[in-house]
Amino acid sequence: DAGVIQSPRHEVTEMGQEVTLRCKPISGHDYLFWYRQTMMRGLELLIYFNNNVPIDDSGMPEDRFSAKMPNASFSTLKIQPSEPRDSAVYFCASSYSYGYTFGSGTRLTVV
Amino acid sequence: KNQVEQSPQSLIILEGKNCTLQCNYTVSPFSNLRWYKQDTGRGPVSLTIMTFSENTKSNGRYTATLDADTKQSSLHITASQLSDSASYICVVSVTILTGGGNKLTFGTGTQLKVEL
Repeated sequence: DAGVIQSPRHEVTEMGQEVTLRCKPISGHDYLFWYRQTMMRGLELLIYFNNNVPIDDSGMPEDRFSAKMPNASFSTLKIQPSEPRDSAVYFCASSYSYGYTFGSGTRLTVV
Repeated sequence: KNQVEQSPQSLIILEGKNCTLQCNYTVSPFSNLRWYKQDTGRGPVSLTIMTFSENTKSNGRYTATLDADTKQSSLHITASQLSDSASYICVVSVTILTGGGNKLTFGTGTQLKVEL
């Protein structure tokens, strides 16, 4: 199994632009989580899905952030418009029962 | 508010030495406690998972302890190696009632550096 696959690994964009981060979870995992990691706040849960359905999006910082999971093998996190304070590493993780696997993350820099 | 606090924030030790990292939590209801290792530029990787009934669990040179009464955990690293240099994150899990998954609350981590 290739694990949780995220793309791109690095993204540099200008303030105001739309950014889309992508995640392919491990096949068979029924939960998918999006996290944001910064030096100041550590890892923060943004949103999670169960069987492709968004369950809890209370961690999404504001309306500029949106996430979708159109099928069991793909999810996106979109920021529109992006701002410099969105700069962080964004992790996707998938889970089945106790098992929990993280992707390698997308490092986003908004200039 | 559910919180997970770790200490120290950072630590430098010499190769071959032992060290212990601490974690205090207030997360409730508690399902399990995990320790993760995160190398620079990588995602967190699980080291141990303990339920409330387990007091200790080992994974090679890593040994985690849990006191569910005092809500404290520790991670002991024996005979440290240069490759142990990483961030170690304490994570407390709450069971998601619908579907049986786990929702994680993360500590901010202890940054460990092992030097020659």
